[in-house]
Amino acid sequence: LAKTTQPISMDSYEGQEVNITCSHNNIATNDYITWYQQFPSQGPRFIIQGYKTKVTNEVASLFIPADRKSSTLSLPRVSLSDTAVYYCLVGPDYGGATNKLIFGTGTLLAVQP
Amino acid sequence: NAGVTQTPKFQVLKTGQSMTLQCAQDMNHEYMSWYRQDPGMGLRLIHYSVGAGITDQGEVPNGYNVSRLNKREFSLRLESAAPSQTSVYFCASSAGGTGVSYEQYFGPGTRLTVT
Repeated sequence: LAKTTQPISMDSYEGQEVNITCSHNNIATNDYITWYQQFPSQGPRFIIQGYKTKVTNEVASLFIPADRKSSTLSLPRVSLSDTAVYYCLVGPDYGGATNKLIFGTGTLLAVQP
Repeated sequence: NAGVTQTPKFQVLKTGQSMTLQCAQDMNHEYMSWYRQDPGMGLRLIHYSVGAGITDQGEVPNGYNVSRLNKREFSLRLESAAPSQTSVYFCASSAGGTGVSYEQYFGPGTRLTVT
């Protein structure tokens, strides 16, 4: 599975747009990129997933450049409730149990008033 | 629709005691997993199941046993608890698989302390 690198922590203020970048230089052709969010004392929650270009849902956008060696999670107009740890995961599009989630330490986003 | 539920929420054990962590999901998912999360760390896979009666080891299986008696429930048992097993335990379920491309639904966690 592709190794990922993301900043340990980021600070922001309410109302700002936050971009968290994840590096995955050895991403494989059949790998997908997925982001999870974890609030304190809760289990992780799926945010968004993509393969290339841009994906947007009601929570976030995911930008993936043509070489796919990195990806950027964009959170528009963050609020205090967006304070959480954000995990970037990369792995192949195989069903079943042939592949497992590998969580790194993630990026702790702290949003201040 | 409760999603993934876990019991208990908190537990304190003495070294050598045993206990079972319970997990249940109401989404009719085939795949279920147990993870542990130590302070400041990401989650690590302990065991997983691809269906009733079928389980396999994950990254850190030593000291743990699991049981999947039916599609809905997946339990994690510590036979002889050790301080190194102090952690937060999360159960997850998924419709299509254990990997990245399938959304995993996580429970609220069980915070276990072994003294």
